[in-house]
Amino acid sequence: SAVISQKPSRDICQRGTSLTIQCQVDSQVTMMFWYRQQPGQSLTLIATANQGSEATYESGFVIDKFPISRPNLTFSTLTVSNMSPEDSSIYLCSAWTLGSGNTIYFGEGSWLTVV
Amino acid sequence: AQKVTQAQTEISVVEKEDVTLDCVYETRDTTYYLFWYKQPPSGELVFLIRRNSFDEQNEISGRYSWNFQKSTSSFNFTITASQVVDSAVYFCALSGRSGGYNKLIFGAGTRLAVHP
Repeated sequence: SAVISQKPSRDICQRGTSLTIQCQVDSQVTMMFWYRQQPGQSLTLIATANQGSEATYESGFVIDKFPISRPNLTFSTLTVSNMSPEDSSIYLCSAWTLGSGNTIYFGEGSWLTVV
Repeated sequence: AQKVTQAQTEISVVEKEDVTLDCVYETRDTTYYLFWYKQPPSGELVFLIRRNSFDEQNEISGRYSWNFQKSTSSFNFTITASQVVDSAVYFCALSGRSGGYNKLIFGAGTRLAVHP
């Protein structure tokens, strides 16, 4: 199984600022994803992080608000831009590897509170 | 369209009771995967099980068991002799060919509270 680490684990952010979350996987993975979990809610896919190219965003999410990078097969970042209190959520990174039996693993999440 | 329904928002049991968490799914795909994840208060998502649509065998892992029934589009999860450490939010999820096998559609989650 893949071990996925996220930084920061928690942060309190000021309205209007931006924060970048890092996701590191302990092995090369085929695909990486970013999910958002708003308080008391389920998880929603933000985007697929594509290596070497622009991320693929789901409906309702845009690059200007959630720029994503994936410079290699083990690392990705998600930036939450110009934050508002509505962005207070857990942001989770996940990874999938071809040949893993379609098992999808998650990081421990990054809890962001915007004040 | 794909959809996962977890009708039970919260369940409260006393330790050692058995508890079943329900999951009903909708998909037009003939090939799909079903998952269960546990989210303890710390927030991480812990993978519990993955089942593909061609494997309807029930599975048991210790105190955990899963009942997959395609006829009723259900993938229910039972914890036998529950313990306080089982207290968490449990998510059922689905992925399929139409949406991408590696993109998960989550249910709303069921919060399980196990009291001593």
